[in-house]
Amino acid sequence: AQSVSQHNHHVILSEAASLELGCNYSYGGTVNLFWYVQYPGQHLQLLLKYFSGDPLVKGIKGFEAEFIKSKFSFNLRKPSVQWSDTAEYFCAVKSDDYKLSFGAGTTVTVRA
Amino acid sequence: DAGVIQSPRHEVTEMGQEVTLRCKPISGHDYLFWYRQTMMRGLELLIYFNNNVPIDDSGMPEDRFSAKMPNASFSTLKIQPSEPRDSAVYFCASSGQGGSYEQYFGPGTRLTVT
Repeated sequence: AQSVSQHNHHVILSEAASLELGCNYSYGGTVNLFWYVQYPGQHLQLLLKYFSGDPLVKGIKGFEAEFIKSKFSFNLRKPSVQWSDTAEYFCAVKSDDYKLSFGAGTTVTVRA
Repeated sequence: DAGVIQSPRHEVTEMGQEVTLRCKPISGHDYLFWYRQTMMRGLELLIYFNNNVPIDDSGMPEDRFSAKMPNASFSTLKIQPSEPRDSAVYFCASSGQGGSYEQYFGPGTRLTVT
């Protein structure tokens, strides 16, 4: 079974700082990759997804992620964060079935 | 589209009572997923359906939990009897089969069992 590992449990940074969240998965076949965001008290919302093609994927709100197949990684980035980016971020992978395997999540706190 | 609809949004009940959570998926989606989210265990998949049929219920914690999907637009997750350790946020999500596998999540039901 596949698994998803998110390296950081909690990240604290200041506004305008750059953000990078690590995500690694363990599955050797074809995967579809996702990043979801959960703002405080809200449900999960899709930030971006990778299915095929250009490994650099751009999502909403200025986020992007890069799929590096050789490293089994799908790291999330944002060049300049805002206070409103304070949230929990989840990496997820879909393999052969229709289930998504989620990472444990990374809490991002942006200080004004 | 109204998105995935869940009810109730909050439920407080006493230990031993039956709890029923409800979900209406996005119209046209043929996959429906039930998740539980807690601080300790994160986001766990409980069960998922395809075309109203349960496909994988390996995440259902025990026999006290049951889920049904009588039609394409409605699903329930029932806990009977409820216990304090069932306190969590329960999310329903749906997805379509058109090659786009992302799941759309509902607002969740926050369950507190006292």
